[in-house]
Amino acid sequence: GESVGLHLPTLSVQEGDNSIINCAYSNSASDYFIWYKQESGKGPQFIIDIRSNMDKRQGQRVTVLLNKTVKHLSLQIAATQPGDSAVYFCAAPNYGQNFVFGPGTRLSVLP
Amino acid sequence: DAGVIQSPRHEVTEMGQEVTLRCKPISGHDYLFWYRQTMMRGLELLIYFNNNVPIDDSGMPEDRFSAKMPNASFSTLKIQPSEPRDSAVYFCASSLADVGNTIYFGEGSWLTVV
Repeated sequence: GESVGLHLPTLSVQEGDNSIINCAYSNSASDYFIWYKQESGKGPQFIIDIRSNMDKRQGQRVTVLLNKTVKHLSLQIAATQPGDSAVYFCAAPNYGQNFVFGPGTRLSVLP
Repeated sequence: DAGVIQSPRHEVTEMGQEVTLRCKPISGHDYLFWYRQTMMRGLELLIYFNNNVPIDDSGMPEDRFSAKMPNASFSTLKIQPSEPRDSAVYFCASSLADVGNTIYFGEGSWLTVV
């Protein structure tokens, strides 16, 4: 099955700077990836997704990059704001409709 | 849309007691998932249903855990008897298979077993 890991458990950035959160996956056949944001006391919220036929997808202030060669994806947040402070998870399909989640990166935005 | 609705939001119970967590998925979604989140193990899938039928319960830790989905708009996760190591946040989530497989989560049920 799929396994997902993150490179850094925590990340601190200055307000206004760009943030980059990384994720690695194991199954080269995985064809769909999702990034979630989890604020304290809340459930994970969908941020952005990407299919394996794409290398890049942009949303509002967020960009996801997918490198299938090294099985790596990243989430970039432009002009990081205090409201971006949260734990960020990447998720990849395991089998069927099941997803496996990475351990999460806690992003702290410094004033 | 109201999103996935879970109850109770918080529960504190004594070891040995029965705990029932409830979930109302997003209307029209045909997949329902129960996840457990702990600091040590992160987000773990316990069980998921498709059209009210359990598809995979391999993540259910023990026979003390059971889940049902009597209809498309309601599911329960039951722990009987509860133990302190069951303390965690339990998330219900739902998805619609033909719109990119995105899973939408509820706000979670925070369970503490003392």
